[in-house]
Parts: sequence; C-alpha cells; structure tokens
Amino acid sequence: DGGITQSPKYLFRKEGQNVTLSCEQNLNHDAMYWYRQDPGQGLRLIYYSQIVNDFQKGDIAEGYSVSREKKESFPLTVTSAQKNPTAFYLCASSPTGGAGNEQFFGPGTRLTVL
Amino acid sequence: GQSLEQPSEVTAVEGAIVQINCTYQTSGFYGLSWYQQHDGGAPTFLSYNALDGLEETGRFSSFLSRSDSYGYLLLQELQMKDSASYFCAVRDGAAGNKLTFGGGTRVLVKP
Repeated sequence: DGGITQSPKYLFRKEGQNVTLSCEQNLNHDAMYWYRQDPGQGLRLIYYSQIVNDFQKGDIAEGYSVSREKKESFPLTVTSAQKNPTAFYLCASSPTGGAGNEQFFGPGTRLTVL
Repeated sequence: GQSLEQPSEVTAVEGAIVQINCTYQTSGFYGLSWYQQHDGGAPTFLSYNALDGLEETGRFSSFLSRSDSYGYLLLQELQMKDSASYFCAVRDGAAGNKLTFGGGTRVLVKP
C-alpha cells in the first residue's frame, strides 16, 4: 500500500535534547513538507523540499532542521533552540507542478517536552 | 505573505447544511484547497478550486470567487461523522505546491 509513515506516534523529550522525527513515503512524490499544529490551531509550515538535496524554510523554521538525502525520506530534527517544541508534527508529500495540488499527510507525531 | 480567515466553530444538526466561509489575502494565488481533520488524525484532502465557480463532490461542494478573495465549503446532508475541523488553504504557485492554511473551523454535528 502506498502512503506516508511517521514514527514514532508519541515522543517524549527532556528539555535541552535534540530529537529527530521520521517521515517516509512510497508515493514517488518529489515534494515533501513538515507542519506544526498546536491545539485548536491550523497547520504552520516548518520546512519543505521540492526535490532531493534541496529544501527551503517555511514560516516557522527557527529551531528546526531537515535533510533530504533520499526522495522517500524527509526527517525533521527539533533542536534545543526551539523554545516551545511541544506540538503535533505532520509530514506531507505531493507531486510537483501541474495539477498536483493535493497534499497527502502522514498520521503525525505528537511531541511532548518534559 | 498569506493570511486566511475562517470561523472558529459551527454547530448544526444531522441532515442540515453548513457553509464554511474563507477569506484570504495573498501575494500570489493559484488556488484554494479544503482539508478535513478528525480529532487526533491527519488532514485529508476534500477539494481544490483554481477557477471561479462551484465544484461538487458528493455531499461536499466548494466555491471560489477570486475577485472577492473568498471561498466557501458547503457540507450538505450532515452526518455525525462530519464532525471534524475543516481548513482552507491557499496554494502559492510561485513555490510549487506550498500551502498556507487557515486556522480551521470546528464543525460539531448534533443528533
């Protein structure tokens, strides 16, 4: 089955620690995205990548880092510089160009900083 | 930059019709999308309007007026399973399929 997987589903972290969230897709999509969602709020874009080995900052990139070494993988690292990292993190992918307007989302990772 | 406004919450009974409005301000506009998200779940795509007019998909329809920077999602014959949050999102074509999302409208369907 094609889709997007994120792991882990729940993640707990101590203050001052970096943590990496996994995102894998087998949809053969070029573009991938990371969003943050706070309770009762919309999705805010952290980083996105339209092709392997290239990525751009979104609206709230500070305190986060990403890599895109493979087409199917787009891991997100939440660094200790992120002042309020507790949130629901969603990864998405889409085809690029033309009518590729639909983004497909993974199940999300809920990060809690203790 | 982009900004989108939509109501925070709507309540309706089963079988009713609900309209969720979305107004936007953008520096570049290539289309308006709608996503549904159940509590704790992932957003799922509902519809996309690039041109003015109404798009119908089963019980859900979406409308766009580019001259008014306005769109809406119409939910008909409401069912309990339609209780969810609904987000409008603007596509910034200058950066591929990058989307900016509104804050979401929580729809509560009552028996």
